Amino acid sequence: SSELTQDPAVSVALGQTVRITCQGDSLRSYYASWYQQKPGQAPVLVIYGKNNRPSGIPDRFSGSSSGNTASLTITGAQAEDEADYYCNSRDSSGNHLGVFGGGTKLTVL
Amino acid sequence: EVQLVESGGGLVKPGGSLRLSCAASGFTFSSYSMNWVRQAPGKGLEWVSSISSSSSYIYYADSVKGRFTISRDNAKNSLYLQMNSLRAEDTAVYYCARDLGGDRDAFDIWGQGTMVTVSS
Repeated sequence: SSELTQDPAVSVALGQTVRITCQGDSLRSYYASWYQQKPGQAPVLVIYGKNNRPSGIPDRFSGSSSGNTASLTITGAQAEDEADYYCNSRDSSGNHLGVFGGGTKLTVL
Repeated sequence: EVQLVESGGGLVKPGGSLRLSCAASGFTFSSYSMNWVRQAPGKGLEWVSSISSSSSYIYYADSVKGRFTISRDNAKNSLYLQMNSLRAEDTAVYYCARDLGGDRDAFDIWGQGTMVTVSS
């Protein structure tokens, strides 16, 4: 197995830019994917691969990676972006997507 | 519409068993690996198990290995999770999720989840 580490909470002023990070050794070999989860709802994929957005995800969401750190950036955060964000990647064996970060609670002020 | 719908959750006593189902529609189910992911109340996401498109490759989290069994029926477009020897710490919302596949490394479709409560 392996671990992914996220800051528990981050805040951003409305309209400003925020970066949410995810650290782990597996990220040196594999991309992270990012999920947004609002209270009482299922997670939603927002970023995967090098920097890919599923259909319907606003282009203010972007992803990047360097070394053992993956980042999710929201450029011009909106009130509706307030949510929990989770990163995910393969485990150390590379066999499955078995590792989630602990999640980051994003507050939009 | 691409959709996953879980069912089978409920209240079960410690040591009991439960079988979850996930019905897929709107896509070629037999072409995708599938997963179960759970979330304990107030906690983060935890991957539970995955199964490849033809059931050739199956993996489990250490926390459920030997107690849970994942399976699928491609003819019925359905995914299952047989949960035995349930513990209080298995209490969670259980989601089924589709693996986007092709080295794209992501869960692109999620069900709405089904709640499992293990309590005496």
